[in-house]
Amino acid sequence: QSVLTQPPSASGTPGQRVTISCSGSSSNIGSNTVNWYQQLPGTAPKLLIYSNNQRPSGVPDRFSGSKSGTSASLAISGLQSEDEADYYCAAWDDSLNGLVFGTGTKVTVL
Amino acid sequence: QVQLVQSGSELKKPGASVKVSCKASGYTFTSYAMNWVRQAPGQGLEWMGWINTNTGNPTYAQGFTGRFVFSLDTSVSTAYLQISSLKAEDTAVYYCARVVYSSSSGWFDPWGQGTLVTVSS
Repeated sequence: QSVLTQPPSASGTPGQRVTISCSGSSSNIGSNTVNWYQQLPGTAPKLLIYSNNQRPSGVPDRFSGSKSGTSASLAISGLQSEDEADYYCAAWDDSLNGLVFGTGTKVTVL
Repeated sequence: QVQLVQSGSELKKPGASVKVSCKASGYTFTSYAMNWVRQAPGQGLEWMGWINTNTGNPTYAQGFTGRFVFSLDTSVSTAYLQISSLKAEDTAVYYCARVVYSSSSGWFDPWGQGTLVTVSS
């Protein structure tokens, strides 16, 4: 079972800003960095944000990440139709001594 | 370019075994650990564990001990996931993913395209 909690869904119209939360605890997000992955329909996950707020080369700057305490957030500004996907946060958990993923959030562009 | 290419879909009967391969290219295979992630139909991502590509030492996540085995063939830059005594609940897409480390942080990049394993009688 996932120990990082995300809202199951989020939506917005093209151009809007959408924010996805990822809630954890002191043993995971509170102690370690957070990464975000985007999974387009029918494809493998892809790295979107690493080390809380870093964008890999090629990821548009409308995607941004932040972390505060035991929670993290992914923001998509200027939402586009191609952003329709599932988004997962992930962090190392010191208590479990393993990686934990968030429950996942499906983003729909209305 | 850095790439992970996995073997094709598998259809197996309960009780059988399956071996999924993940061939790496575009980088030095033994310089990066390899992870395995499971995604059951319609479900989220679940970390299965990782293998040290230098030593071959595997680490399994809770729930993935016993029937799951990670292995390597460094001569062909390939990692393997073998699952024995297959059950219907093992039906899932299995992904390999390279882990990149920097300043005490790690992340998965890239991922393989995934291998669908279906267990059905």
